[in-house]
Amino acid sequence: NAGVTQTPKFRILKIGQSMTLQCTQDMNHNYMYWYRQDPGMGLKLIYYSVGAGITDKGEVPNGYNVSRSTTEDFPLRLELAAPSQTSVYFCASSYSTSGAVDTQYFGPGTRLTVL
Amino acid sequence: GDSVTQMEGPVTLSEEAFLTINCTYTATGYPSLFWYVQYPGEGLQLLLKATKADDKGSNKGFEATYRKETTSFHLEKGSVQVSDSAVYFCALKIQGAQKLVFGQGTRLTINP
Repeated sequence: NAGVTQTPKFRILKIGQSMTLQCTQDMNHNYMYWYRQDPGMGLKLIYYSVGAGITDKGEVPNGYNVSRSTTEDFPLRLELAAPSQTSVYFCASSYSTSGAVDTQYFGPGTRLTVL
Repeated sequence: GDSVTQMEGPVTLSEEAFLTINCTYTATGYPSLFWYVQYPGEGLQLLLKATKADDKGSNKGFEATYRKETTSFHLEKGSVQVSDSAVYFCALKIQGAQKLVFGQGTRLTINP
């Protein structure tokens, strides 16, 4: 199993440009997440999905959009890039059942710089 | 709200030294507690976890005990190695909630 894969690894955007960060998992997990990690800070949840066709906002959703058309893929869209979105973005997945404490598995991250 | 506070880094130790990284939490519900490790250039990996008070999580020589009375989950290792150099994150998850709440991370460097 490849686990959670993310592309690209690095990207530089100009202010106002748009891009999509790709995330794929091959573990048949129902839950998927997007986090951002700012320097010296912990990770903050942007969006999450509990299954195909279902998404919900996390702590810091402004400026981002997501979709979940398949179990495997959970892309993150930035429509109008701003310098405040310079960060490292991590995708994660987990298999959650009612009452269980699930473990989240993380991808290697995408380092995004907006200039 | 829910929060996690870790000891400030960076932490630099010599090989075979004893390691403690402090972690305390504030939670509105009943949390599960986690330590994640991030090696250079990689994503986060689960190191260990504990789901109820007095549980001890352990893995790769690391240990942490869920202390409800002191709201703590300190990470310890008796003899560190150069390969343990990484950033360590303490996190909590409230039962029924979707997100992990992370501390700010502690960068650990082990010198030979």
